[in-house]
Amino acid sequence: AQSVTQPDIHITVSEGASLELRCNYSYGATPYLFWYVQSPGQGLQLLLKYFSGDTLVQGIKGFEAEFKRSQSSFNLRKPSVHWSDAAEYFCAVEVGDKLIFGTGTRLQVFP
Amino acid sequence: DAGVIQSPRHEVTEMGQEVTLRCKPISGHNSLFWYRQTMMRGLELLIYFNNNVPIDDSGMPEDRFSAKMPNASFSTLKIQPSEPRDSAVYFCASSLGSGLKYFGPGTRLLVL
Repeated sequence: AQSVTQPDIHITVSEGASLELRCNYSYGATPYLFWYVQSPGQGLQLLLKYFSGDTLVQGIKGFEAEFKRSQSSFNLRKPSVHWSDAAEYFCAVEVGDKLIFGTGTRLQVFP
Repeated sequence: DAGVIQSPRHEVTEMGQEVTLRCKPISGHNSLFWYRQTMMRGLELLIYFNNNVPIDDSGMPEDRFSAKMPNASFSTLKIQPSEPRDSAVYFCASSLGSGLKYFGPGTRLLVL
């Protein structure tokens, strides 16, 4: 069955440090992959998406993600984290018309 | 541009009461999705519509839940009777076909 795994439930980083959030997917065909961010009490905002082509995709707010088919991964990265990046991050795979989400990674940023 | 609009934003009700959540998708979008978010189960797809027709309702928990989309600009999710375990954040999302999905701000439901 199609699924998304985010192995890190909670990550804490210092402001200015680099960040990598892990995402692994299980899907038989070429996946459409997404990262969404949810600030406390807010809805889901799309950070970036991968459909095909270049495996390194750029998103909003300085985020990027790399699709690695051999590892079934789509990890999210940011070279320097800002305090405003504290939020919950969700990886998702599109199956047909539906989005299947991972369980999320909560990012905490210390000054 | 107005995004997906959901109402109410917050709802507190007592067990046994009927709850109706509302969603207005982005104009021109023809697919609409209802998701539920809980601590235990994360984000789950409850049901989705395409051109106002329910396509997949396999995520609807039980008969107490029902959803309708009478026209392209309005959908409701109803819970009758509500139970404390229905407490969650309910999100509506819309898209143009299988394109990008845009999420509303959610409705926070608390059933006492």
